[in-house]
Amino acid sequence: GAGVSQTPSNKVTEKGKYVELRCDPISGHTALYWYRQSLGQGPEFLIYFQGTGAADDSGLPNDRFFAVRPEGSVSTLKIQRTERGDSAVYLCASSFAANTEAFFGQGTRLTVV
Amino acid sequence: ILNVEQSPQSLHVQEGDSTNFTCSFPSSNFYALHWYRWETAKSPEALFVMTLNGDEKKKGRISATLNTKEGYSYLYIKGSQPEDSATYLCAFSNTGGFKTIFGAGTRLFVKA
Repeated sequence: GAGVSQTPSNKVTEKGKYVELRCDPISGHTALYWYRQSLGQGPEFLIYFQGTGAADDSGLPNDRFFAVRPEGSVSTLKIQRTERGDSAVYLCASSFAANTEAFFGQGTRLTVV
Repeated sequence: ILNVEQSPQSLHVQEGDSTNFTCSFPSSNFYALHWYRWETAKSPEALFVMTLNGDEKKKGRISATLNTKEGYSYLYIKGSQPEDSATYLCAFSNTGGFKTIFGAGTRLFVKA
């Protein structure tokens, strides 16, 4: 596609449920980032993929969060046993290589009720 | 702990005013400094990626400078227009890692 696509754009889920957030990066971009943005703050780094592998997952807050990118293209962020504090906008970005110009999706707004 | 600070938090200017904001970041192990513009209901848009001390970049009425030794970058907007209203984010990355640390942003409001 022409840009980074994230689905769904909005997700409301009940506390304790499992959710999956999808990111379709720009074709050919090997670098893929996930961020989480809470109100009034800048995006918070979660995980970086180079190709299929997670090169840096130090930003994942705990073991309820997991992300995959099995074929080096689409990535899925998975959150188990959601908590109200997980409510945020989850942003995905891709770039040709690490630390080059990154292109962001419009984000998924997750609300845990 | 890597910390990126942006100031001011918000800024209200009149159309035609020139303005600037500051981004402060750790000066050790610097790799790159990114500036983004984030308009409401849109995706963050990359403005500049800066890697060299003393670097200056320009895109239209927007320009940026970089001082890696003292750990700051300035973003300048000349002759602000209402369409410049957005949140301006800077993000820092250091050598040896891929993590990008964002500041909280400067929210710019340009009144016609």
